[in-house]
Amino acid sequence: DQQVKQNSPSLSVQEGRISILNCDYTNSMFDYFLWYKKYPAEGPTFLISISSIKDKNEDGRFTVFLNKSAKHLSLHIVPSQPGDSAVYFCAARYTGNQFYFGTGTSLTVIP
Amino acid sequence: DAGVIQSPRHEVTEMGQEVTLRCKPISGHNSLFWYRQTMMRGLELLIYFNNNVPIDDSGMPEDRFSAKMPNASFSTLKIQPSEPRDSAVYFCASSRPGTLTDTQYFGPGTRLTVL
Repeated sequence: DQQVKQNSPSLSVQEGRISILNCDYTNSMFDYFLWYKKYPAEGPTFLISISSIKDKNEDGRFTVFLNKSAKHLSLHIVPSQPGDSAVYFCAARYTGNQFYFGTGTSLTVIP
Repeated sequence: DAGVIQSPRHEVTEMGQEVTLRCKPISGHNSLFWYRQTMMRGLELLIYFNNNVPIDDSGMPEDRFSAKMPNASFSTLKIQPSEPRDSAVYFCASSRPGTLTDTQYFGPGTRLTVL
């Protein structure tokens, strides 16, 4: 059973506009959430994270929002750049080192 | 640092054959993770090691899969016998001591195709 879901397999955005990637989870015991970015033929690389005690974390153009009551996580990229085109994975930690990943959203930023 | 190294990058084999995937973690990292990526299930954690000891292998799909970490600089994931449904990209990742959350560094992956 998929405990972390990314329901949009793909997203296209114009350069300079905002990209919003969404993630839903089912387990209220998750205590830490992460976003990873993956280019073709490469492994995922860590992008940004947020603890369950916070509702927002910002790092440059990237902001992650957490809505615990809705069990919803989102990643905002502003402004979007062509180099942001990649697959983005949402991940959640249960206990210790047990991580659950979503199926990924492929973002295409159109110049 | 060279990063996490995985070999081979691509593997094509026939059903029933044994497959061994290899991983060299980043020097100084004491946690190692094996993941499998499929379109349907995304990235699944198969097993992880802490200080060369397997901590959680609940993600290993069945007895055909086994993983070892004989020392801090090497790990293997073995599938015997392989089946077509094992076709996927397998990633190895490692993390630094005391930072088990946001510092998992992934290798480039091994794309396995079982015919």
